[in-house]
Amino acid sequence: EAGVTQFPSHSVIEKGQTVTLRCDPISGHDNLYWYRRVMGKEIKFLLHFVKESKQDESGMPNNRFLAERTGGTYSTLKVQPAELEDSGVYFCASSQDRRGDLAKNIQYFGAGTRLSVL
Amino acid sequence: AQSVTQLGSHVSVSEGALVLLRCNYSSSVPPYLFWYVQYPNQGLQLLLKYTTGATLVKGINGFEAEFKKSETSFHLTKPSAHMSDAAEYFCAVSAKYNQGGKLIFGQGTELSVKP
Repeated sequence: EAGVTQFPSHSVIEKGQTVTLRCDPISGHDNLYWYRRVMGKEIKFLLHFVKESKQDESGMPNNRFLAERTGGTYSTLKVQPAELEDSGVYFCASSQDRRGDLAKNIQYFGAGTRLSVL
Repeated sequence: AQSVTQLGSHVSVSEGALVLLRCNYSSSVPPYLFWYVQYPNQGLQLLLKYTTGATLVKGINGFEAEFKKSETSFHLTKPSAHMSDAAEYFCAVSAKYNQGGKLIFGQGTELSVKP
């Protein structure tokens, strides 16, 4: 079974440009999460999808960030325009349907996309 | 509100020595607690988790952690370190009820293992 995959693994862009990160969750996982780790800091929650719906986007830093999950499969996270402080590693995670035993829902993480804004 | 504090951003041990990585949490609701490990160029991998029941939980690769409610701690231990344990370790908490299952992470602890 394929795990969570993220593209690209590394992106270097200039300030003001646009970047789109993609996440393919494990097949059949309804829940998809985006997290970000800025250098030297903790990993922080950005948002949570249940299928195609945004369940919680309380961690999104500002309106330069746009996340979508069309059809409830893969997700994209667009940063437009990118700023220097957006640099960091963006992680995606997925888990199964949360109905039922919450304790059984484990989040599986991708390897992350390292974004460098120059 | 929930938060996690990992004491020590870098821990170095000798091969064969005890590994102890400290994690304290704050939570206004019953917590679920997790330890994840990240090896270079890989995603985070779940080591172990505490949800309910036995407070001493065993995970993969010989790691275990004990949930101590009175101390609000969830320290990670391994009796004997291996070179392959060198990685970054993250403690995380989520709410037992609702709140979407989002994880709140500590700042991570880089474990080095000396031969």
